[in-house]
Amino acid sequence: ETGVTQTPRHLVMGMTNKKSLKCEQHLGHNAMYWYKQSAKKPLELMFVYSLEERVENNSVPSRFSPECPNSSHLFLHLHTLQPEDSALYLCASSQDRWGVGEELFFGSGTQLSVL
Amino acid sequence: AQTVTQSQPEMSVQEAETVTLSCTYDTSESDYYLFWYKQPPSRQMILVIRQEAYKQQNATENRFSVNFQKAAKSFSLKISDSQLGDAAMYFCALSSGYSTLTFGKGTMLLVSP
Repeated sequence: ETGVTQTPRHLVMGMTNKKSLKCEQHLGHNAMYWYKQSAKKPLELMFVYSLEERVENNSVPSRFSPECPNSSHLFLHLHTLQPEDSALYLCASSQDRWGVGEELFFGSGTQLSVL
Repeated sequence: AQTVTQSQPEMSVQEAETVTLSCTYDTSESDYYLFWYKQPPSRQMILVIRQEAYKQQNATENRFSVNFQKAAKSFSLKISDSQLGDAAMYFCALSSGYSTLTFGKGTMLLVSP
């Protein structure tokens, strides 16, 4: 595996379910990100981790819970979601968190549908 | 706060022709970078081109070039000799200060034979 991989590719869940999204980066990067992509809206930054420490949380509801056990893995735990949470969830990584001009490397995302 | 605006939800171009995608931005920082990312149907976003604000020369990557107008805060992407594989969603993005990358809403580029 190379780059940034995300699983699952698609996920359908009910509002009372608990599920997790997984992201793994094979680039040796120190920073990882979760973005939410909804139709006709800019990508929304959700969380940023730098060296496994959460450094940014953009007012995301508590029903989204991130976890970064090491610099290569990032999870997004989901529980009691709402239909408006249906979106494409993208994971990304970069060499460092604070480098202006840093390129972000993205995974292919998880398309989430909440019924 | 930094903002990025893409006013063209969709653009169309024929193969071998040239198309320009528009982007305007706003930031109070003097040191910043601008990016164009491409998101094909596979959904994986890929960096197309990057421009540093301090560099006056417009960035170029093969068929892709930018027109960076700093005073006007404009950053357009020109795709020359368009190919079917260029069909994708294109996002303009801005990185400045301690802010993480901020994206526009995107422009869907359709390429016809």
